[in-house]
Amino acid sequence: NAGVTQTPKFQVLKTGQSMTLQCAQDMNHEYMSWYRQDPGMGLRLIHYSVGAGITDQGEVPNGYNVSRSTTEDFPLRLLSAAPSQTSVYFCASGPVAGRNTGELFFGEGSRLTVL
Amino acid sequence: DAKTTQPPSMDCAEGRAANLPCNHSTISGNEYVYWYRQIHSQGPQYIIHGLKNNETNEMASLIITEDRKSSTLILPHATLRDTAVYYCIVRVEGPGGYQKVTFGIGTKLQVIP
Repeated sequence: NAGVTQTPKFQVLKTGQSMTLQCAQDMNHEYMSWYRQDPGMGLRLIHYSVGAGITDQGEVPNGYNVSRSTTEDFPLRLLSAAPSQTSVYFCASGPVAGRNTGELFFGEGSRLTVL
Repeated sequence: DAKTTQPPSMDCAEGRAANLPCNHSTISGNEYVYWYRQIHSQGPQYIIHGLKNNETNEMASLIITEDRKSSTLILPHATLRDTAVYYCIVRVEGPGGYQKVTFGIGTKLQVIP
């Protein structure tokens, strides 16, 4: 199993540019989420989804959009990048129903720099 | 969800047991204690979780006090590969438990040769 796959691993943007961070999971998990990690700040929840067509905001949603058209994919869109969005982004997934250990599975991260 | 408090850093000698504490004095009756770790800049990795009984798996043991206000993660024989940031979180299990899962700054464990 590939688990949770994030692309790209590294990206440099200029202020005002847009881009999409991709996240895909092959474990048929209903729950998917995006976190950002900044030095000394731990992981902060940006957006999450509990199933296709259902999304909601986390702690720090401003400047980010998400959609969930399939169970497998949960892309994170930056419409107009700002230097404050320089961070490492992690995607995570987990089961909601059935055999639910509550365990979250994380991707390897996407390092974004906005100049 | 209840908040947790962890020491920012700890050292442990290689081969010795590493005992990582976590305080969660406002935990609710239906909230579980979860532990994750993050090695270098990789994605966090699940270690173990429990409700009120002590738990053990191939990676670690989890000791939860009787009043459930604190817990300790035990790595019985720490190796250099256990050097990581360890996160303690509390959350309800089931569909509603994911929504407010946030990670604090955790405990940076340094295993010393």
